[in-house]
Amino acid sequence: DTGVSQDPRHKITKRGQNVTFRCDPISEHNRLYWYRQTLGQGPEFLTYFQNEAQLEKSRLLSDRFSAERPKGSFSTLEIQRTEQGDSAMYLCASSVGGMEETQYFGPGTRLLVL
Amino acid sequence: GQQLNQSPQSMFIQEGEDVSMNCTSSSIFNTWLWYKQDPGEGPVLLIALYKAGELTSNGRLTAQFGITRKDSFLNISASIPSDVGIYFCAGQRRNYGGSQGNLIFGKGTKLSVKP
Repeated sequence: DTGVSQDPRHKITKRGQNVTFRCDPISEHNRLYWYRQTLGQGPEFLTYFQNEAQLEKSRLLSDRFSAERPKGSFSTLEIQRTEQGDSAMYLCASSVGGMEETQYFGPGTRLLVL
Repeated sequence: GQQLNQSPQSMFIQEGEDVSMNCTSSSIFNTWLWYKQDPGEGPVLLIALYKAGELTSNGRLTAQFGITRKDSFLNISASIPSDVGIYFCAGQRRNYGGSQGNLIFGKGTKLSVKP
């Protein structure tokens, strides 16, 4: 069990550019979540997948954001036409689901939009 | 987005002291979890609570799921320097279909320990 991994760990981009982040969940975890965390705040939910199906999206997920989990394993989160307000830590978590679900987080990708 | 009320916001304590922090909500949760986050890292799970009234320990950490299902607390006994970090509570409700939903987090309690 290698834990949740995320790539890259840090990303600096210019406003208007597109960025893509990757998350590899713990193997055999069928649920995968994306959260966003800004300075001084707790993580806020963006979206989640059960296997390859995207089951819920938060209102925080504007139409510039898109997430995929094509084969039910790794997931990508893309932000198009980045804005300075997109600067944040993007966290991925995975779980096996069930009534006593526990989400395990990755190390996050810190995005800075200049 | 919705967040839980977590207090205190920060604590400065002497090494060896006990620490207590809590989280409250205006609505009920089915699960309460406590995470610790170090700078630049993701949250690490400390304790998960699944039943109202449940009291669970993990080493020097003890957490309880409030009877009303609207609150939880975390205690750390005999603090040590490596306890430094930000502690987050998180609540989880079941979706309409009965499965567990996303986590809702507090704003965190920043713990500083003086040796």
